[in-house]
Amino acid sequence: DTAVSQTPKYLVTQMGNDKSIKCEQNLGHDTMYWYKQDSKKFLKIMFSYNNKELIINETVPNRFSPKSPDKAHLNLHINSLELGDSAVYFCASSQRSRGRGEQYFGPGTRLTVT
Amino acid sequence: GDSVTQMEGPVTLSEEAFLTINCTYTATGYPSLFWYVQYPGEGLQLLLKATKADDKGSNKGFEATYRKETTSFHLEKGSVQVSDSAVYFCALSDQGNAGKSTFGDGTTLTVKP
Repeated sequence: DTAVSQTPKYLVTQMGNDKSIKCEQNLGHDTMYWYKQDSKKFLKIMFSYNNKELIINETVPNRFSPKSPDKAHLNLHINSLELGDSAVYFCASSQRSRGRGEQYFGPGTRLTVT
Repeated sequence: GDSVTQMEGPVTLSEEAFLTINCTYTATGYPSLFWYVQYPGEGLQLLLKATKADDKGSNKGFEATYRKETTSFHLEKGSVQVSDSAVYFCALSDQGNAGKSTFGDGTTLTVKP
């Protein structure tokens, strides 16, 4: 039933570790996104894939690497985690080809780096 | 580039009060406009949208009208409830810009009984 799902919901790890967050959507959308939300609730886009092709790549450290194995999945791998990476990461999807741009968000992954 | 400016928060209201959250935008094309709501501990949910000038979006008692002349999309509700306490985001989507959405900074609303 869940439209956009993310795993894990919580992730606590130490500095220097490598971690991944997974996202899946069952809406049949052609575009997926990763956002970072900081403690002040500011939302910043990181990446977007359309039909498995990277179309948005904002100024993000190259320790962050997205991967889209197919249209329904978009994963985020983070190398050498830093304290400043602590945030809530949201995956979202939309139907770019026919839609008007509304996005559907997952429940978020709260990453805490200690 | 595109930008969205929304009213700074936090906003605190009593139950049944009238709510307005201001939102103005800058865009080069003809964007679609949205309000999203984020309840505590959850992801953003689409609250309402408008795709062209003078369109009014409405949902759950909330309304917003796409005003091209003032480049605004203010959110209103006539009588707020405690359950409306959340963070509200104004956003625009420009299909000509890789479908990228631009979000405002969010406005935290707290409704007290």
